[in-house]
Amino acid sequence: QQPVQSPQAVILREGEDAVINCSSSKALYSVHWYRQKHGEAPVFLMILLKGGEQKGHEKISASFNEKKQQSSLYLTASQLSYSGTYFCGTGADGLTFGKGTHLIIQP
Amino acid sequence: NAGVMQNPRHLVRRRGQEARLRCSPMKGHSHVYWYRQLPEEGLKFMVYLQKENIIDESGMPKERFSAEFPKEGPSILRIQQVVRGDSAAYFCASSPGGPNTEAFFGQGTRLTVV
Repeated sequence: QQPVQSPQAVILREGEDAVINCSSSKALYSVHWYRQKHGEAPVFLMILLKGGEQKGHEKISASFNEKKQQSSLYLTASQLSYSGTYFCGTGADGLTFGKGTHLIIQP
Repeated sequence: NAGVMQNPRHLVRRRGQEARLRCSPMKGHSHVYWYRQLPEEGLKFMVYLQKENIIDESGMPKERFSAEFPKEGPSILRIQQVVRGDSAAYFCASSPGGPNTEAFFGQGTRLTVV
């Protein structure tokens, strides 16, 4: 079952914060986050493996609530380079990805 | 350490021909995954392979599509008798351990069926 991401798109000014949510109707054991720029390969951001786990990567961090079957990606003080489409992926073998959240950062 | 290498980057095939897409994983990675992506859509899982074995092919169409990851050489995704609906970007990813380790994607092969 495909995880549901929200919002579908968001436009920010440089320096603003954003939150991208990912939820599943099935039990989650791990959540993977990727960013993809147009015409390029997805780039790995982070994996969250345990319920309640939080991880950070530069100014990008994420949380994972196993009980609620949800994960959120937090982008703080966004930079122009953060623009792209963000995907969450879940699954035991190959990942099932959400439809993505388009993030546009304006100067 | 070179990244995941896919070739060709672009492939044009006429309807009915065969398409062969190659993926060389990162050095030390024995787990390979293939995904398909249509324009403006997410990545759709196709198959997960570990050296010489298909672990999960639940996302592969039952007909015309096959994948292998031999002991030596790259992983191959083969599409026989291509149709227009096969046009898409095909991405390969590799990881050092199983699915709960970070996976690195190749640049993809853009298949166009004319």
